[in-house]
Amino acid sequence: NAGVTQTPKFQVLKTGQSMTLQCAQDMNHEYMSWYRQDPGMGLRLIHYSVGAGITDQGEVPNGYNVSRSTTEDFPLRLLSAAPSQTSVYFCASRAGASYEQYFGPGTRLTVT
Amino acid sequence: DAKTTQPTSMDCAEGRAANLPCNHSTISGNEYVYWYRQIHSQGPQYIIHGLKNNETNEMASLIITEDRKSSTLILPHATLRDTAVYYCIVRVGGNQFYFGTGTSLTVIP
Repeated sequence: NAGVTQTPKFQVLKTGQSMTLQCAQDMNHEYMSWYRQDPGMGLRLIHYSVGAGITDQGEVPNGYNVSRSTTEDFPLRLLSAAPSQTSVYFCASRAGASYEQYFGPGTRLTVT
Repeated sequence: DAKTTQPTSMDCAEGRAANLPCNHSTISGNEYVYWYRQIHSQGPQYIIHGLKNNETNEMASLIITEDRKSSTLILPHATLRDTAVYYCIVRVGGNQFYFGTGTSLTVIP
């Protein structure tokens, strides 16, 4: 099992550009989530999904879109990048009956 | 109103027990407390969770007070590889977990 994978590892965007952060898991987990982590801060939930076709907003959803067409994939779209979205983005998954979240290695995004 | 409160940083001598406290006075009666750690800038790693009984696994022990308003994560014999940020986490509804800012633990040789 590869676990949770994220691409790219690093990305630099200019203000106003759009992009998609990819997240995939091969553990057949129902739940998937996107978090952002700013310097010196804990993780804050952006969006999450409880299964294919079902998504919901977390604590800081503005400026981001998600969709879940398959169990394995949960991409995060930045519609029009802003410097305030400079952060490290983590994707996580867990089985529905489990309390343990598995995190990906993160994507470091810089918006100039 | 913070969901969890943890010390910003702690030191521990290598080989000694590391005791990391957490206050979660607003936790609901049926909600678990979870502990994760983050080494360098890697993705967080699950350690342990508990409801009201003390729990132990191969990584750590979790002591929860009887009133469930606080808990302590115990690493029985800290090693240099345990240097990390430790997060005490509660669920705040549905699939939403509150991470807070965590405790930066430094294990000293």
